[in-house]
Amino acid sequence: QKEVEQNSGPLSVPEGAIASLNCTYSDRVSQSFFWYRQYSGKSPELIMSIYSNGDKEDGRFTAQLNKASQYVSLLIRDSQPSDSATYLCAVLTSGTYKYIFGTGTRLKVLA
Amino acid sequence: TAGITQAPTSQILAAGRSMTLRCTQDMRHNAMYWYRQDLGLGLRLIHYSNTAGTTGKGEVPDGYSVSRANTDDFPLTLASAVPSQTSVYFCASSDPQGVGYTFGSGTRLTVV
Repeated sequence: QKEVEQNSGPLSVPEGAIASLNCTYSDRVSQSFFWYRQYSGKSPELIMSIYSNGDKEDGRFTAQLNKASQYVSLLIRDSQPSDSATYLCAVLTSGTYKYIFGTGTRLKVLA
Repeated sequence: TAGITQAPTSQILAAGRSMTLRCTQDMRHNAMYWYRQDLGLGLRLIHYSNTAGTTGKGEVPDGYSVSRANTDDFPLTLASAVPSQTSVYFCASSDPQGVGYTFGSGTRLTVV
């Protein structure tokens, strides 16, 4: 089992819809979780971090964390074509300063 | 603009040759990292450094070496390149540790 798992997609949603991206992780004691957006040919950029159970909202983005289920998700409201990218989930490994990345979910927002 | 600078942007390298990928940051971050990104495999950690003078091995360290003589620079060396090292290489830094990375723009390396 991979340490951080994501569906590779592509996930296609119409413009204006809500895109829901999911991630599961295996290290039960992980405390820090991150979402990165990566456009084709570019480097990843941090868009959300979450450390506590529940929801964290930032503009059109909402990160959700459920530690009991070892599940973290990213919701993008009012999806725009410019949101089309690969979204990487990252988990800070317990006892270290190293992040484990999922392989990413490719999102396509259709105009 | 503060951030991480990687060089070169891209390189074609003959198998068996050596090469150093350069990474410099101006944010005074303590921790630095080298990842490679391959289609279907995602980002995999090669080496890391928690602070100047220390380094550690990541998930895929074989064939690579690093040094951390000062806070700003974290070069990655391929002593004798092989085609399986064809990849996109990203340098990253973080400080305080545990609050997310800043990535460089990447180096696309092709070993032929």
